[in-house]
Amino acid sequence: AQSVTQLDSQVPVFEEAPVELRCNYSSSVSVYLFWYVQYPNQGLQLLLKYLSGSTLVKGINGFEAEFNKSQTSFHLRKPSVHISDTAEYFCAVRLFSGGYNKLIFGAGTRLAVHP
Amino acid sequence: EPEVTQTPSHQVTQMGQEVILRCVPISNHLYFYWYRQILGQKVEFLVSFYNNEISEKSEIFDDQFSVERPDGSNFTLKIRSTKLEDSAMYFCASSEDLGAYQETQYFGPGTRLLVL
Repeated sequence: AQSVTQLDSQVPVFEEAPVELRCNYSSSVSVYLFWYVQYPNQGLQLLLKYLSGSTLVKGINGFEAEFNKSQTSFHLRKPSVHISDTAEYFCAVRLFSGGYNKLIFGAGTRLAVHP
Repeated sequence: EPEVTQTPSHQVTQMGQEVILRCVPISNHLYFYWYRQILGQKVEFLVSFYNNEISEKSEIFDDQFSVERPDGSNFTLKIRSTKLEDSAMYFCASSEDLGAYQETQYFGPGTRLLVL
């Protein structure tokens, strides 16, 4: 069975500091990887995704993530955060095998950016 | 930019009542999904729907749940007899039929359901 572990439930950081939100997954088959963001009282918005190719993917709002197959990780990074980045961030996987479209989510990491 | 919409944004109901949550997926999308997020917990997959039938469902999606695409634009989730533990945020999502490789799911803003 597939699972997603987000190692930090909360990450406090000061504005303009760099941040890394960690995500590890477990799967016996290849997966596609996603990061979604949920701003307060809003739905889930796609930040970025890894399907294949370059292991470093860039997303919206200056975020990027690196797929590491050997470590089964897909950590999210931003070199300099803003107050507006305060939100909950969800890592998710989807199976590579056709016919299985469901996303499996991690528990989420709450990023709190302080002035 | 096209988006998934959901109504209502909030719903309060009594235990045992039926509720219908509505979603309007992005217009050219062909795959539709429901997920839920119990307060403080993970987002969980409920069901996926394609070509007018359920393509996959989770253990949570028991006989109390049903989905329907009653017309060309709406996608609904019905809970026949709500339980207290059905209280959650319910998200609808949709994706294009670009093949499994490129499919990205776009989520609506959610319906917060409270069962009393």
